[in-house]
Amino acid sequence: AQSVAQPEDQVNVAEGNPLTVKCTYSVSGNPYLFWYVQYPNRGLQFLLKYITGDNLVKGSYGFEAEFNKSQTSFHLKKPSALVSDSALYFCAVRDPLTSNTGKLIFGQGTTLQVKP
Amino acid sequence: AAGVIQSPRHLIKEKRETATLKCYPIPRHDTVYWYQQGPGQDPQFLISFYEKMQSDKGSIPDRFSAQQFSDYHSELNMSSLELGDSALYFCASSLVSQHETQYFGPGTRLLVL
Repeated sequence: AQSVAQPEDQVNVAEGNPLTVKCTYSVSGNPYLFWYVQYPNRGLQFLLKYITGDNLVKGSYGFEAEFNKSQTSFHLKKPSALVSDSALYFCAVRDPLTSNTGKLIFGQGTTLQVKP
Repeated sequence: AAGVIQSPRHLIKEKRETATLKCYPIPRHDTVYWYQQGPGQDPQFLISFYEKMQSDKGSIPDRFSAQQFSDYHSELNMSSLELGDSALYFCASSLVSQHETQYFGPGTRLLVL
């Protein structure tokens, strides 16, 4: 069965420092992987995705993520955090072998807190 | 750029009442997905439609039904509401040929009293 794990409920980082939000996945085939961000009382905003190709993908607002097949991970990173990056981050996966309809399986979410 | 539109944004209902949530996808998107996000939870897939046909079904209660209309908008009908139905309901849309990326609406926050 498909699953996504975000092992940290919360990540705290000082403004200007690099940040990492972790995500691991379990699928039967080659995964399609996504990161979304959710601000309070708002919808989910698409940040970036990995479908195929270069393992390092760059997305919106300076975020990037690295696909690591051997570790089944897709960690979200940013070289220099901003206070405005504070939000709830969701990793999501779609397994094209078992789902040709595009439904996403989400991780539990990680709250990122960036302090000035 | 146009985004996914959901209405209403907020809804308060009593137990056993019915509710209808509406979703208007991004223009030219042909696929709609519904997700439910309970308090402090991750979004859970409910149901999806492609070209007005149901394409997949997740953890949607039998009390709920949905459809996609000829103009591609979708409605989620919820009957015999229970306290546990209180949640944020998201609609997302995509192009089936590019259905890797789903774009989400702002959500409808449903509170059942």
